[in-house]
Amino acid sequence: EAGVAQSPRYKIIEKRQSVAFWCNPISGHATLYWYQQILGQGPKLLIQFQNNGVVDDSQLPKDRFSAERLKGVDSTLKIQPAKLEDSAVYLCASSSPGGSHEQYFGPGTRLTVT
Amino acid sequence: GEDVEQSLFLSVREGDSSVINCTYTDSSSTYLYWYKQEPGAGLQLLTYIFSNMDMKQDQRLTVLLNKKDKHLSLRIADTQTGDSAIYFCAESKNTNAGKSTFGDGTTLTVKP
Repeated sequence: EAGVAQSPRYKIIEKRQSVAFWCNPISGHATLYWYQQILGQGPKLLIQFQNNGVVDDSQLPKDRFSAERLKGVDSTLKIQPAKLEDSAVYLCASSSPGGSHEQYFGPGTRLTVT
Repeated sequence: GEDVEQSLFLSVREGDSSVINCTYTDSSSTYLYWYKQEPGAGLQLLTYIFSNMDMKQDQRLTVLLNKKDKHLSLRIADTQTGDSAIYFCAESKNTNAGKSTFGDGTTLTVKP
């Protein structure tokens, strides 16, 4: 079984530029999560999807961050414009219906904003 | 608000037991989790415990929960070099593990 795929693995941009991250969850997993993990800290949930609907986006800075999961499979997370404090690893995770304890994480995208 | 605290570093010798501690503040926490993160990788769920349990054992891993003191520990028996990683404690108040609060992680170093 293939794991959660994310791309790119690394991205360096200048502040005020835009960036997008892509996630492909494990096949059949209805729930998809995006986390932000700042160096030296634990992950913080940004947004959670159930199929193509948003379950929780209470911690998503909506003035600059957006995410979509149009067909209930792949998802993209966008930052526009980026700030220095957005430098972090962005983790995508997925879980199957009824198994929400078992979150499977991708390797993450390390974003550096200069 | 919720807060989860962990010590930052732990160093042990190969073959010894490791004990990683965690405290949390929210008495309504229902599930408590331990995750492992290796360099350059995402998090891997190791185990979790429901708040009405005191202990859970899974092979080399033992989780102890003191709900009165809001203290959670993870014991790794016969620690191996492959156990070197960052270990995160997390809590949630319902079955939706996504709505979890994570600690900042404990870096475990296993010396040969």
